[in-house]
Amino acid sequence: QKEVEQNSGPLSVPEGAIASLNCTYSDRGSQSFFWYRQYSGKSPELIMFIYSNGDKEDGRFTAQLNKASQYVSLLIRDSQPSDSATYLCAVINTGGFKTIFGAGTRLFVKA
Amino acid sequence: EAQVTQNPRYLITVTGKKLTVTCSQNMNHEYMSWYRQDPGLGLRQIYYSMNVEVTDKGDVPEGYKVSRKEKRNFPLILESPSPNQTSLYFCASSKQLLNTEAFFGQGTRLTVV
Repeated sequence: QKEVEQNSGPLSVPEGAIASLNCTYSDRGSQSFFWYRQYSGKSPELIMFIYSNGDKEDGRFTAQLNKASQYVSLLIRDSQPSDSATYLCAVINTGGFKTIFGAGTRLFVKA
Repeated sequence: EAQVTQNPRYLITVTGKKLTVTCSQNMNHEYMSWYRQDPGLGLRQIYYSMNVEVTDKGDVPEGYKVSRKEKRNFPLILESPSPNQTSLYFCASSKQLLNTEAFFGQGTRLTVV
């Protein structure tokens, strides 16, 4: 079992729809959870992080964390073609020193 | 401008020829790390450093070395590169690890023939 798992996609949604990206992790003691966006050929850039159970909203983005289920998700409301990218889930391990990334989910938003 | 700078951006080399990829940050960050990114595997951590003179292995350290003699610099050294080290490499830095954004360099695309 991979430490951080994401559906590789591609996930295709129409413009204006809600895109839902999911991530599960195996280390129950994981402490912080991040979502990064990576455009093709570019560096990852942070969308948001979350460390408490529940929802965290930032503009069109909502991160959801459920530590009991070891599950973190990212919702993108009113998806735009410019949201088309690979979304990387990252988790800080129990020791608090290592960052484990998932393989990423490719998202396509159709105009 | 706050940034992480990697050099070179592109490098083609031959098996066994030692190389160094430099990484420098101007944000006075404590934590720095190196990743490699391969298709279908995502970002995998090679080494990380919590502060000057403090480094530790990530998940894929074999064949790599690092040093942290100054806070701003964190070079990645391949003593004897092999074709399986052909990859896209990213350096990243952050003020701390928990609940803090990591800033990534532009990436170095390395090909070992």
